[in-house]
Amino acid sequence: QKEVEQNSGPLSVPEGAIASLNCTYSDRGSQSFFWYRQYSGKSPELIMFIYSNGDKEDGRFTAQLNKASQYVSLLIRDSQPSDSATYLCAVFRYNTDKLIFGTGTRLQVFP
Amino acid sequence: DGGITQSPKYLFRKEGQNVTLSCEQNLNHDAMYWYRQDPGQGLRLIYYSQIVNDFQKGDIAEGYSVSREKKESFPLTVTSAQKNPTAFYLCASSIASSYNSPLHFGNGTRLTVT
Repeated sequence: QKEVEQNSGPLSVPEGAIASLNCTYSDRGSQSFFWYRQYSGKSPELIMFIYSNGDKEDGRFTAQLNKASQYVSLLIRDSQPSDSATYLCAVFRYNTDKLIFGTGTRLQVFP
Repeated sequence: DGGITQSPKYLFRKEGQNVTLSCEQNLNHDAMYWYRQDPGQGLRLIYYSQIVNDFQKGDIAEGYSVSREKKESFPLTVTSAQKNPTAFYLCASSIASSYNSPLHFGNGTRLTVT
């Protein structure tokens, strides 16, 4: 089992819809969770991070964390074609001081 | 503007040659990292450094070497011992190596070895 798992996609959604990206992790000791967006050929850029159970909203983005079920999600409301990218989930384990990345989910938003 | 600068953007080398990738940051971050990204795989940690003159191996350090003589600089050398060096290399930094420090990435260096 991979430490951090994401569906590779592509996830295709129409413009204006909600895109839901999911990430599961195996280590219950994980403490911090990050979402990065990576356009093709570019480097990852931080979208948001979450540490506590529940939802965290930032503009059109909402991160949802459920530590009991060991998953973290990213919702993108009012999806735009410019949101088309690969979304990387990263999980930090304090006991190993390491950030583990998933392989990413490719999102396609079509007009 | 503060940021992380990686150079060059593209690098081509012949097999058997060592090559050094540059990474400089002016964010005053303590921690710096090197990741490698291959198609269909997540980012894999090569080396990281939390303070000057100290660094630790990541998950795939074999065939690579680093130095951290200055806080701002963390160059990566890809040696001839690295069996599959062709990849996209990403340098990153964070305020500290702690659970609440997001990574800031440079623009990457795409290395091709033939």
